[in-house]
Amino acid sequence: GQNIDQPTEMTATEGAIVQINCTYQTSGFNGLFWYQQHAGEAPTFLSYNVLDGLEEKGRFSSFLSRSKGYSYLLLKELQMKDSASYLCAVGASGGSYIPTFGRGTSLIVHP
Amino acid sequence: SQTIHQWPATLVQPVGSPLSLECTVEGTSNPNLYWYRQAAGRGLQLLFYSVGIGQISSEVPQNLSASRPQDRQFILSSKKLLLSDSGFYLCAWIPGSYEQYFGPGTRLTVT
Repeated sequence: GQNIDQPTEMTATEGAIVQINCTYQTSGFNGLFWYQQHAGEAPTFLSYNVLDGLEEKGRFSSFLSRSKGYSYLLLKELQMKDSASYLCAVGASGGSYIPTFGRGTSLIVHP
Repeated sequence: SQTIHQWPATLVQPVGSPLSLECTVEGTSNPNLYWYRQAAGRGLQLLFYSVGIGQISSEVPQNLSASRPQDRQFILSSKKLLLSDSGFYLCAWIPGSYEQYFGPGTRLTVT
């Protein structure tokens, strides 16, 4: 089985940096994903890590440590529009591909 | 281009009524397709996935069923809705590697 844990809610100030952590336990591992979901909308894909290390994509970066079962999403130069829920998801290896999602972290960015 | 469609966008149905939600994808063949439900304030719950026509796997026992009558069509149904079926229903697919892409979703309210 798989278990994914991330904080329920975080707040940050516009222009600041915020790090959203995700820890996971899985019987097989085939990549870790981050998604952004604005209220009332579908999730949109942000990043994919399958090897250890940092992947940078503009203001967003994602880090993975497979040995520690740990990932984080780093958001720099926060903007008000970054207020959203951020979902961590883990893909399991073997058989059909079934990703498992965490409950999401609601990020509130205030002026 | 590859796109995913869902309809309707919103739906209000009385308890005990039937349900049919449709998802179609364009620009690909034989995609893996998924149905998720997201209840208010909760994470994404995988309901069904399909790797091909007529191939449906159910992840949780529930009041719902799914069918895949055509390669690029995935349908979620119920014969009699329950109050607990209310939620945001999302269809997703994997067009490339492993990242999932979601349709716009259907917000279902059972009254």
